[in-house]
Formats: sequence, C-alpha cells, structure tokens
Amino acid sequence: GGIITQTPKFLIGQEGQKLTLKCQQNFNHDTMYWYRQDSGKGLRLIYYSITENDLQKGDLSEGYDASREKKSSFSLTVTSAQKNEMAVFLCASRLGGQDTQYFGPGTRLLVL
Amino acid sequence: QQQVRQSPQSLTVWEGETAILNCSYEDSTFNYFPWYQQFPGEGPALLISIRSVSDKKEDGRFTIFFNKREKKLSLHITDSQPGDSATYFCAASESGGYKVVFGSGTRLLVSP
Repeated sequence: GGIITQTPKFLIGQEGQKLTLKCQQNFNHDTMYWYRQDSGKGLRLIYYSITENDLQKGDLSEGYDASREKKSSFSLTVTSAQKNEMAVFLCASRLGGQDTQYFGPGTRLLVL
Repeated sequence: QQQVRQSPQSLTVWEGETAILNCSYEDSTFNYFPWYQQFPGEGPALLISIRSVSDKKEDGRFTIFFNKREKKLSLHITDSQPGDSATYFCAASESGGYKVVFGSGTRLLVSP
C-alpha cells in the first residue's frame, strides 16, 4: 500500500497573498492531480501532471500555478488569494493505465 | 457546464433500508463510472465502479445499475448502516483517459 500526504492540513492566508500547498505520494504513481472542493459543488480539476516535469491545465487553472519537479511530489500555488475564499484542496494520484485515483486528506484553505 | 449530475443532494434513510443515489451524464464518450465515498475530514476513496459494457456491478451491499441508452446510473446501498453516512460522488471518464468529471455529490445520513 501507499499513502498521500498533504501539507499543511489547514492554511489561513491574507487577501492577495501567494500560498503554496504540497502533496507527496509513495505509491510510485505516474499521474498526480489537484482538485478544488467547494461545498455543494463536487470536485473540480485545477491541474494534473502525467509524469515528472509535465503539467496540464484543468478547468479551474486560472489563479493557480503548479509544479511537478519529482515523481513523488506535486505542488500547487494560489497566486493571489481571494478574500472570503474557503475551500478544500485535494491531491490525488494514479498509476498510468489504471483508472482508480487515490486521494489525500486535503488542505483546508481560509482567506481573511 | 456540469456534465455529471447527481440527485438527491441529500438523503436520509433508516438503518436497514435501501438508499438509492442517482447519477446522469451527458458525454457519450464516457465509459468508466466510479463512485467515491467521502467521510468528513478525509479525501474521497473508491467504493465501487462500473464500465459501460456492463449494466450491473455488485460488491456486497453496494450495487451499481447502469443504463447506457438513458445515460443514467444509480448506486443502491442495501441494509444501510450508520457507518455508511458519508458523501457519495459519482464520476465519469473515458477509460485510460486522464480527466475525470465528478458530480456534486449526495450526502447520505443513515439514522439508527
């Protein structure tokens, strides 16, 4: 088995601040994902990475940057946090050729 | 554009009853349909999945019924237990494809 670790667990920022969320997986999976989960809206794809150093935009990429410098890690940056923004950011990974995604526990963001 | 729709938004059943969660999709290229279960404070985890070549998939108390012609599927949870109280997400993708579209979820409460 493996595990996905997301840090920090809770993130409180100020409006306009650049904030970085980190994700690590030890499944040795090729593909990694960042989703945003808002209450009542399901999961929306921000970025995904098919392999190390690859980046693909999802439907919600505006306002975010991502980085995949190692196979095991995938970072997400909120480039300018918006006031009253509150959401859970979920990282996921999957093995190439497989359909099942494995999710981390999430990072909860609050912008004051 | 919401390509995967779920209903109801929330559902309460008594312990021992059958809970029925509904899902529909629009894109006829989707051929893989996972259901994810999410408990508060955790990331979603794969519960059960079906491919479009099948019309039914069973795993213990959980059964997916799939109607390709109507682009509808449903998750039946028989003999519901309080421990089944969670949010359930229906998702859809092309098998082997990288993007997965999630519905907005159904919050299930099983009362003892």
